[in-house]
Amino acid sequence: SQQGEEDPQALSIQEGENATMNCSYKTSINNLQWYRQNSGRGLVHLILIRSNEREKHSGRLRVTLDTSKKSSSLLITASRAADTASYFCATVGRMEYGNKLVFGAGTILRVKS
Amino acid sequence: GAVVSQHPSRVICKSGTSVKIECRSLDFQATTMFWYRQFPKQSLMLMATSNEGSKATYEQGVEKDKFLINHASLTLSTLTVTSAHPEDSSFYICSAPYGVGETQYFGPGTRLLVL
Repeated sequence: SQQGEEDPQALSIQEGENATMNCSYKTSINNLQWYRQNSGRGLVHLILIRSNEREKHSGRLRVTLDTSKKSSSLLITASRAADTASYFCATVGRMEYGNKLVFGAGTILRVKS
Repeated sequence: GAVVSQHPSRVICKSGTSVKIECRSLDFQATTMFWYRQFPKQSLMLMATSNEGSKATYEQGVEKDKFLINHASLTLSTLTVTSAHPEDSSFYICSAPYGVGETQYFGPGTRLLVL
C-alpha cells in the first residue's frame, strides 16, 4: 500500500529555478529516502534521511524531515533540464523487517530550458 | 555503484501464456530482493519480497499463484506471471538492498504487454 501523498503531483519550472517537492507519510519510520525515475526506467537513489535527522544535503539536493508532521521535502536548487524526471519519496517503517520501501505517489518534474 | 539488471526489458505475449522476468544483482549478493509493479504515471506498488532459500512474502492482495517468485541464488530472483491477461500489462521493477541494506538498487524494469 502507498504510504502517503506527494505534492505537487506535477511541477513545471524554468531552468535555473529551484524545485520543491513535499511528501507526507502515515506511520512511524526508520528512515525516508528520495528516488528519481526517468521516464520508463528504473529508480535511482538520491538521498536518505534518518528519523533522528532534520536536514541533509547532497550537492544541489536538500532534504528536510519533520517527524512530528510526518512530512519531508526535497529541494533541488538551480535546476537543469536534465533534472526532468519523476521523484518519489519512500519510507522504511520502524517496525518493518528487511528494509521494505513504501513509496509515495510521486511528483513529475519538468524543467524547461 | 552496485548494478541490478532485469531481463527482458520488454515483452509482448498472448493472453494465457506465462512470462518469466529475471532480476540479477551483478556485483553483489542479495539475500532479499523486492518486486514492484508500476502503472503509467503512478507510483510503485510492492508486490512481494523475494527471499533466497525460502518462500517469498507477498503483499496483501497479490495472488501468489499468479505471480510466482523464485530466489534461486544469491544473485538471481525470478518473477513468473502465470496465465497472463491484459490486466497484467504493466511495468515490473525489481530492487535489491546493498551493503547494510538501507538503500536499494533498482533494475531498469520490464515492460509487459499482454495481448
